[in-house]
Amino acid sequence: GQNIDQPTEMTATEGAIVQINCTYQTSGFNGLFWYQQHAGEAPTFLSYNVLDGLEEKGRFSSFLSRSKGYSYLLLKELQMKDSASYLCAVMDSNYQLIWGAGTKLIIKP
Amino acid sequence: NAGVTQTPKFRVLKTGQSMTLLCAQDMNHEYMYWYRQDPGMGLRLIHYSVGEGTTAKGEVPDGYNVSRLKKQNFLLGLESAAPSQTSVYFCASSYRGIHQPQHFGDGTRLSIL
Repeated sequence: GQNIDQPTEMTATEGAIVQINCTYQTSGFNGLFWYQQHAGEAPTFLSYNVLDGLEEKGRFSSFLSRSKGYSYLLLKELQMKDSASYLCAVMDSNYQLIWGAGTKLIIKP
Repeated sequence: NAGVTQTPKFRVLKTGQSMTLLCAQDMNHEYMYWYRQDPGMGLRLIHYSVGEGTTAKGEVPDGYNVSRLKKQNFLLGLESAAPSQTSVYFCASSYRGIHQPQHFGDGTRLSIL
């Protein structure tokens, strides 16, 4: 079967750095997406990786290793507004997104 | 800049009742999707559409029907609601292309009693 694994919850301190990991086993691979979802709101797109390596976008970076079936989202200079769930999703060989259950990130002052 | 609009935002139904969830997008996206989101689980695809007049089943299509008569609208129907369909339903849309991100509506919170 297809599977996306993420930690259920993480806690970090304002101003610090946090890394959210995602491992996947899917039938085929056509890219990996990260989304942010604040409580009670819609998911919003953060990043897309299809090639190995690091993609940097401001305070957020996303890394992919296709051979290891692994990605991480790196958040720097954490702000209180970064408290949210972070969803990892992989596009499989049928061009459908397979979603992880999300990682709830709690930021403490 | 409305983006993706879902109606209604909240609804409570009794078992066996029917209803239609409406989704409209103003971004001229070709693809549209219906997901459900349940606690502790990832988003699960119910049905999707790659263009006006075409629909296809996703991972969990049973108990739902869809229609896309116009490019900008995607309707999700529950013919006979069951308590297992209590969930948050999200509509999303995207341009054609595997790298294109999906844009989500604010969701419909549906409770079936």
